[in-house]
Amino acid sequence: KNEVEQSPQNLTAQEGEFITINCSYSVGISALHWLQQHPGGGIVSLFMLSSGKKKHGRLIATINIQEKHSSLHITASHPRDSAVYICAVKAAGNKLTFGGGTRVLVKP
Amino acid sequence: ETGVTQTPRHLVMGMTNKKSLKCEQHLGHNAMYWYKQSAKKPLELMFVYSLEERVENNSVPSRFSPECPNSSHLFLHLHTLQPEDSALYLCASSQVLFYNSPLHFGNGTRLTVT
Repeated sequence: KNEVEQSPQNLTAQEGEFITINCSYSVGISALHWLQQHPGGGIVSLFMLSSGKKKHGRLIATINIQEKHSSLHITASHPRDSAVYICAVKAAGNKLTFGGGTRVLVKP
Repeated sequence: ETGVTQTPRHLVMGMTNKKSLKCEQHLGHNAMYWYKQSAKKPLELMFVYSLEERVENNSVPSRFSPECPNSSHLFLHLHTLQPEDSALYLCASSQVLFYNSPLHFGNGTRLTVT
């Protein structure tokens, strides 16, 4: 079992819909990263958080340390949001463990 | 422009070839990383460098050989690769070692070993 589980694995939404991606992890962590990978392969760091909530444009990331859970929300989704969203956690031993990613497709 | 540049974007090589992947960052970051991304698998860390010194080597086969001549450049030298080494190879950098600051990724080199 992977230490970092993401759900759903795949998600299709209509343009304008609210999207939620979930990340659950099984170990104590000091930081959690949300990354976005476009079809070309390049990865962009969206958020790094260790508590509470962060917002950037239409993206919101939350984390609940006690429940070992984080969510990434996309408001008013747009086709350009189509990408793979990856959760990664920094646990003990200076390791970054990645989830398997959530593939999001936003249709116009 | 991500701030981290990788070349080439695509590479096809035979099992007997020797090639090198290049990564360059001018963000003033102290840490640089090589990751491998195989189809339908999570990202796998290969090597970590901090201030030109290798600090982690995740049991990577010796046919992959990293080099960090200065804090802005990172290479991955490839020789005698196997078809299962075909993957997307991503370089990343961060201000601080070991993920307490955001990662900046390059666009990757898609490697095909024939």
